Amino acid sequence: DTAVSQTPKYLVTQMGNDKSIKCEQNLGHDTMYWYKQDSKKFLKIMFSYNNKELIINETVPNRFSPKSPDKAHLNLHINSLELGDSAVYFCASSIQGAQGQPQHFGDGTRLSIL
Amino acid sequence: RKEVEQDPGPFNVPEGATVAFNCTYSNSASQSFFWYRQDCRKEPKLLMSVYSSGNEDGRFTAQLNRASQYISLLIRDSKLSDSATYLCVVNNAGGTSYGKLTFGQGTILTVHP
Repeated sequence: DTAVSQTPKYLVTQMGNDKSIKCEQNLGHDTMYWYKQDSKKFLKIMFSYNNKELIINETVPNRFSPKSPDKAHLNLHINSLELGDSAVYFCASSIQGAQGQPQHFGDGTRLSIL
Repeated sequence: RKEVEQDPGPFNVPEGATVAFNCTYSNSASQSFFWYRQDCRKEPKLLMSVYSSGNEDGRFTAQLNRASQYISLLIRDSKLSDSATYLCVVNNAGGTSYGKLTFGQGTILTVHP
């Protein structure tokens, strides 16, 4: 069984559209994250949720809206997609209070904006 | 100054070589440290945590120097399968109990026959 799974794996769409990426983890973790990895390969945190509550919001444009229906799911909705949104988006999860615990990543969603 | 800084490489080494990667971090309050590995077009995966006393896992040795804010990874007897990007990762919880990982840009390693 995949520990952290994201769908879709590839997403190709036009500028201005609205799209969603889903993430689910079956590890029983309380904390989930969204990261963006751009073309220069820098991996940057976007959001973090703990037990459905927003913990970290790294000055991401409000076109990006995370939603956590329960602690096993953290979805990412993006409105009015722009060319600069093209990147790989990774979902991750960890144990609550995870200062010393690693995060487990999904295999990424490759978003391409035409 | 970047929060986590690594030499991007690339490092090209023959099989069997020993190679070392360095990393510096800017936040002296950083609390935990990791090395992750990312293969081409794959997700990052934890390679090892880094402890103050230094730690070893098979051919891999990690060191942490808090005074110098410096982390290192040593790979002995390199294998072809070690070819990947190695990410230095620092956890800055900012006074909370939640993890916030900051990634370096990665060091590319290619091991050739």
